[in-house]
Amino acid sequence: DSGVTQTPKHLITATGQRVTLRCSPRSGDLSVYWYQQSLDQGLQFLIQYYNGEERAKGNILERFSAQQFPDLHSELNLSSLELGDSALYFCASSEDRDRNTIYFGEGSWLTVV
Amino acid sequence: GQNIDQPTEMTATEGAIVQINCTYQTSGFNGLFWYQQHAGEAPTFLSYNVLDGLEEKGRFSSFLSRSKGYSYLLLKELQMKDSASYLCAVRGRRDDKIIFGKGTRLHILP
Repeated sequence: DSGVTQTPKHLITATGQRVTLRCSPRSGDLSVYWYQQSLDQGLQFLIQYYNGEERAKGNILERFSAQQFPDLHSELNLSSLELGDSALYFCASSEDRDRNTIYFGEGSWLTVV
Repeated sequence: GQNIDQPTEMTATEGAIVQINCTYQTSGFNGLFWYQQHAGEAPTFLSYNVLDGLEEKGRFSSFLSRSKGYSYLLLKELQMKDSASYLCAVRGRRDDKIIFGKGTRLHILP
């Protein structure tokens, strides 16, 4: 157990809908990262937050947004869902911005039908 | 930008040694990671290199050459449970992005 908690673990929703994925980082970790992993694809970096502020942005779609709250938990919002958004979404956290490794949660499986 | 290359698949025999290579191009470098990922599971941390040289941790070792943009992960005394994908990842210097390669799927034969 990495200490990173993600909910829900599994989610099935219809095209055009909106979902929110939640992540609680390890105790004391200030940075949160979001990644998308489609079938047989590598981990695609979406976005990173540090202590509530956006730190780095990857190829995140405009339909997707995220935030990190004062208690350091983070949410990834996915809207106008398409079939191609079906993937495993991972959250990861690290203690600070530099040098430390990142620890992954178990992921949220999203299936869009 | 950042680009990370590693072989798509490799096969090795139980008890043997295997080396998984990773080459990268990055605008600024602030560390290289190796992760193991079993299908459908979370990646788990194996090693971190920021300076040139070899880091050894049990059956796993990782090497880095910053001047060559090159790293390898060495797995010794292979076990069936080592069948997994191995992900090379690089952290840039200008921002904190940690970008992953597509991973190397390692098959272990008895």
